[in-house]
Amino acid sequence: EVQLVQSGAEVKKPGATVKISCKVSGYTFTDYSMHWVRQAPGKGLEWLGLIDPEDDETIYADNFQGRVTITADTSTDTVYMELNTLRSEDTAVYYCATTDSYIRLRYFDLWGRGTLVTVSS
Amino acid sequence: EVVLTQSPGTLSLSPGERATLSCRAGQSVTGSYLAWYQQKPGQAPSLLISGASRRATGIPDRFSGSGSGTDFTLTISRLEPEDFAVYYCQQYGSSPITFGQGTRLEIK
Repeated sequence: EVQLVQSGAEVKKPGATVKISCKVSGYTFTDYSMHWVRQAPGKGLEWLGLIDPEDDETIYADNFQGRVTITADTSTDTVYMELNTLRSEDTAVYYCATTDSYIRLRYFDLWGRGTLVTVSS
Repeated sequence: EVVLTQSPGTLSLSPGERATLSCRAGQSVTGSYLAWYQQKPGQAPSLLISGASRRATGIPDRFSGSGSGTDFTLTISRLEPEDFAVYYCQQYGSSPITFGQGTRLEIK
């Protein structure tokens, strides 16, 4: 069964860094790019960026350039998303998402269950 | 970046009625690479349509997508109780990937 299993909820103070994970099972990890999408409470969806685990190439949304780092560990089939200099507006559910395509920019038919990150002093 | 504007913000309809949701792009969407998602409370979004008009696996044929260029439409021919949710469009033709702000479909 194809699955994306995300790490648990996090509570962070403003200015801190959060790193959340997304473990892949059920397909070859390096075949497909992994994306991160977030959703603030009661708000819409926002794309943060992607990584291609085949060559570790990343593409980040301009809004997060310099604050987000996406990495992939092929030894554990896990993708990580690190967001630094957290502020209250970063409070959101963070999803990893992918699809079975070699094309990097794509739609998503496989989603993790989401990781709630709360930023509060 | 391609800005997507969805309308209406909220649509109030009854089961059995037809729903028409709009997604307008600020510039032409490359290759009609436009997807639609349904999201229910507490759940991740679920893919309905890709490539503007191709239904995802298992999606009932009451859902249909159309459009090209800058204007796209999601139509639900006869609303079922489980269709009341929030719907998002997404373009993946150019970076950054962008989403519309969503349309809430509520029971009248």
